Amino acid sequence: ELKVEQNPLFLSMQEGKNYTIYCNYSTTSDRLYWYRQDPGKSLESLFVLLSNGAVKQEGRLMASLDTKARLSTLHITAAVHDLSATYFCAVEFGNEKLTFGTGTRLTIIP
Amino acid sequence: EAGVAQSPRYKIIEKRQSVAFWCNPISGHATLYWYQQILGQGPKLLIQFQNNGVVDDSQLPKDRFSAERLKGVDSTLKIQPAKLEDSAVYLCASSRHLGTGELFFGEGSRLTVL
Repeated sequence: ELKVEQNPLFLSMQEGKNYTIYCNYSTTSDRLYWYRQDPGKSLESLFVLLSNGAVKQEGRLMASLDTKARLSTLHITAAVHDLSATYFCAVEFGNEKLTFGTGTRLTIIP
Repeated sequence: EAGVAQSPRYKIIEKRQSVAFWCNPISGHATLYWYQQILGQGPKLLIQFQNNGVVDDSQLPKDRFSAERLKGVDSTLKIQPAKLEDSAVYLCASSRHLGTGELFFGEGSRLTVL
């Protein structure tokens, strides 16, 4: 059975600090996605990582993919309050079937 | 460009009643998905359509759930009869076609079964 695990599940951090969210998955895949979800809202696509070694950055967020280790990371630099949300990684297995992780609820404290 | 539209946004029903959710994907998107998101969990795929054909419905509880996309555009997801454990947000997503990667999600329909 395919498993996608994220850690931590909950993260409370101060503004200005750096932190990393980890996404591990159990079966080979070459595509991984990161989504953001605000309370009561839908999922917003952040990054699409399509190959081993892929690195993408947008503002204070940077995502990377290591397909050999079956690991993706989402790094947050100098966190600001607006980044408070739940972050999901999702791994693709054939024909865009995504299996989502359990999510990381991030709270940025002023 | 208009996003994925879903309705209703909220629905409260008694167990054993029926409910239907509607989704209109982004114009021109051939692939449509229904996901179930239970509170505190990640979304789980229920069914995937390519145009009006089913690509994958292996995780759809077919004894009570059904979905259709008759004209290859909008789609309806039905639950009959509903159980308490069906309380969740039902998310519709679309993509331009298979293999393009990125999915675009609607705001979801929140179902509460009492």
